[in-house]
This record gives sequence, structure tokens and C-alpha cells, in this order.
Amino acid sequence: GAGVSQTPSNKVTEKGKYVELRCDPISGHTALYWYRQSLGQGPEFLIYFQGTGAADDSGLPNDRFFAVRPEGSVSTLKIQRTERGDSAVYLCASSLVRTGRTEAFFGQGTRLTVV
Amino acid sequence: AQSVAQPEDQVNVAEGNPLTVKCTYSVSGNPYLFWYVQYPNRGLQFLLKYITGDNLVKGSYGFEAEFNKSQTSFHLKKPSALVSDSALYFCAVRDLRGFKTIFGAGTRLFVKA
Repeated sequence: GAGVSQTPSNKVTEKGKYVELRCDPISGHTALYWYRQSLGQGPEFLIYFQGTGAADDSGLPNDRFFAVRPEGSVSTLKIQRTERGDSAVYLCASSLVRTGRTEAFFGQGTRLTVV
Repeated sequence: AQSVAQPEDQVNVAEGNPLTVKCTYSVSGNPYLFWYVQYPNRGLQFLLKYITGDNLVKGSYGFEAEFNKSQTSFHLKKPSALVSDSALYFCAVRDLRGFKTIFGAGTRLFVKA
């Protein structure tokens, strides 16, 4: 596609439920990032993939959060036993090459609301 | 650890006047630096980046930024502000050793007609 696509755009779930958020990066982009943005805050780094592997998952807040990218393209962020504090906009971004010189292109985000 | 500070929550400028949005950073070694803009209900859009070379970098929509290594700053500037520049601006830093990009808290720019 022309840009980074994230689905769903909005997700409302009950506390304790499991959710999956999907990111479809720009075709050919090897690097993929997940961020979380709370109201009034800047994007908070969660995890970075280079190809299929998670090169840096130091931003995942706890073991309820997990992300995969099995074929090096689409990625899924999975949140178990959701809590109200998980409510935020989850952003996905991708970039083209292996070096850190390139900028990342962001999707529109998934707004997660835990009630 | 990397960090970014945007000391101003909001910047108010009159249309036609120059604008500056401030950013300072902390990183081990040399950084890659980025500015992004976020309009309401839209994703983050890349504006410009500093990788190496000339300290003054030019980007989209007439914006530019100056890298100052001694002051660890990367302020965003525009000679003449437009009302349409009103948005949320984020500074970001990436460590040369990795790919983790850290964002500041953002500065809301309000340009008054």
C-alpha cells in the first residue's frame, strides 16, 4: 500500500480481555516500530523489528505485551489481560533500510480504550 | 540513555513572524535527530532530519533546524509562520548504535492570523 496501515482504527475492550493490533508496513520496509502515545504525551517506544526478529523490545512495559512479525512484513501487537492504563493510541512505523539514517513513516494509529 | 526535552508546551506566534520550537537532547555519542509534525486526527509526519554534515538542515513546508553539538540542541525554525503551521511538533533522537528512537513530549504551535 501507499502508507503504513493499522487496524482497527479504534478498539474498545473490557478490562482483562485480550487484544490484537495489526500493522501493515510500507512494502519493502525492513524496519518496523511500535509506539504508544498517551494523551498529551510524545510517542513512547515499545519495540523495534528488523525483518522477522525483535531487535529491541526494551520498551515493552511488562510481559502482558508481546509483538510478532513472522514473515518480516505484517506485525501484530498483542496485549493480554488488558488494564485501564493500557488505554492509549498505539502507533506503528516502518522504514526502508538497515541503517539508522532513514526516517520512519507512521500509520494513523489504533486508539485502544479499556473500560 | 537517550532523552529528549522540549521545554515549551506551547508556542504562540503571529502569522508572518519567525518561529522557533526548541529541542535539546541527551545521547551517548553522535545522534541522529528528527522533527515530526502531528495534525489533529492524523498520523505523525516527517519534517526533517540531521544525520551528518551541514548543521543547518532544511525540510518540508519551509521548516529548517539547526544542530548545535556543544549545546546539544536541535531547534526547529521557520522564517515566516503560517496559520496552517498550527500543529503538534515532536523532536526525536536516535542513537547511532541502534534504532531505538526517543520522542520528546511535544510542543503545540499556535499561529494566530
